[in-house]
Amino acid sequence: GAGVSQSPSNKVTEKGKDVELRCDPISGHTALYWYRQSLGQGLEFLIYFQGNSAPDKSGLPSDRFSAERTGGSVSTLTIQRTQQEDSAVYLCASSPGGRGNTEAFFGQGTRLTVV
Amino acid sequence: AQKITQTQPGMFVQEKEAVTLDCTYDTSDQSYGLFWYKQPSSGEMIFLIYQGSYDEQNATEGRYSLNFQKARKSANLVISASQLGDSAMYFCVMRETGRGTYKYIFGTGTRLKVLA
Repeated sequence: GAGVSQSPSNKVTEKGKDVELRCDPISGHTALYWYRQSLGQGLEFLIYFQGNSAPDKSGLPSDRFSAERTGGSVSTLTIQRTQQEDSAVYLCASSPGGRGNTEAFFGQGTRLTVV
Repeated sequence: AQKITQTQPGMFVQEKEAVTLDCTYDTSDQSYGLFWYKQPSSGEMIFLIYQGSYDEQNATEGRYSLNFQKARKSANLVISASQLGDSAMYFCVMRETGRGTYKYIFGTGTRLKVLA
């Protein structure tokens, strides 16, 4: 597609339920990133995929969070047993990757509300 | 230690005036990139300007310029002739590409309000 696409745009879930957030990056971009942004705050890095390399999971806040990227394209971020503190906007970004310094292109985000 | 520091949580500027948003960074990598993004209240992340660590000249993009002082590890954003539409959150971002991890590291942001 023309840009990074995320779905759903909004998700309300009950505490304790699992949720899946989807990201469809720009075609041809080998790097894909997930960030979390709490209200009025900066972006917190969660996970980074680059091609077929092992992902950098150093930002995942707990083992309830996981992500996968299938076929080097679409990525799914899964949050198990959601907690109220998981409420935030989850942003996905993609870039051509590698050593070249180009900007990351962001999706519109998924606003997650845990009630 | 913070990799990116933005010391101004909020700033005000009069319309048509220039404003400087501060950013300092910390890295031992020789190769890195510095970016500024704008996030209006709509939530989208808009790329503004990029400066490479080996670039000798300051980057400029229209009304945006990046005041890059490598020895001081400073990458301030200058917005000239502010417009009401410039009111937004601004993030300074670094990406290490030497021995770094290649992820984009965000500062905490500066909220700019342009006054009519």
